[in-house]
Amino acid sequence: DTEVTQTPKHLVMGMTNKKSLKCEQHMGHRAMYWYKQKAKKPPELMFVYSYEKLSINESVPSRFSPECPNSSLLNLHLHALQPEDSALYLCASSQGLRENYGYTFGSGTRLTVV
Amino acid sequence: AQKVTQAQTEISVVEKEDVTLDCVYETRDTTYYLFWYKQPPSGELVFLIRRNSFDEQNEISGRYSWNFQKSTSSFNFTITASQVVDSAVYFCALIPSYGGATNKLIFGTGTLLAVQP
Repeated sequence: DTEVTQTPKHLVMGMTNKKSLKCEQHMGHRAMYWYKQKAKKPPELMFVYSYEKLSINESVPSRFSPECPNSSLLNLHLHALQPEDSALYLCASSQGLRENYGYTFGSGTRLTVV
Repeated sequence: AQKVTQAQTEISVVEKEDVTLDCVYETRDTTYYLFWYKQPPSGELVFLIRRNSFDEQNEISGRYSWNFQKSTSSFNFTITASQVVDSAVYFCALIPSYGGATNKLIFGTGTLLAVQP
């Protein structure tokens, strides 16, 4: 299994809703990432987990809350989002933080905040 | 500064033409890694190639080839005999190696390639 699976593929939520994005990989990778991509822009790093511990938070607002329950699963909990948070949210994984083999990306969740 | 520049915002070619996507990078590190990713309209970022800073050999994979030149800090990507399925946004990216090993991908702004039938 060489995939990163993200669910749901599309999500529409109101500004008062609470929702979660899910990411799963079964490649034995120990680093997992959340990226945010606005239209016609490159992806921007949000969070990095290494061995299930939060390694990097790129000054992301607290309305985004990541969680790594185990080495295969990464969640992103969303609460009180703003319309400008509408974007493609990409999950990725890599063997580790030091190997520099690049990432395997999921196909993303297209989030619309109304 | 750590930066990747893709000066070509959009390129349009006709099928079977060759096309080169330019990538220029900046880093203070002597060890670093360069990547190309393809992003079709579906959204997934597809890994194409990884190259470390000590390996300047050019690489060919089918219709794809890459030209890495440290002297000009460039890592250009050529598609030979382009096909409609090549239409996508292509990102060049850099992982510098500070020693802290954050493994953070630094992306260029991307080049939208449209291949017309």
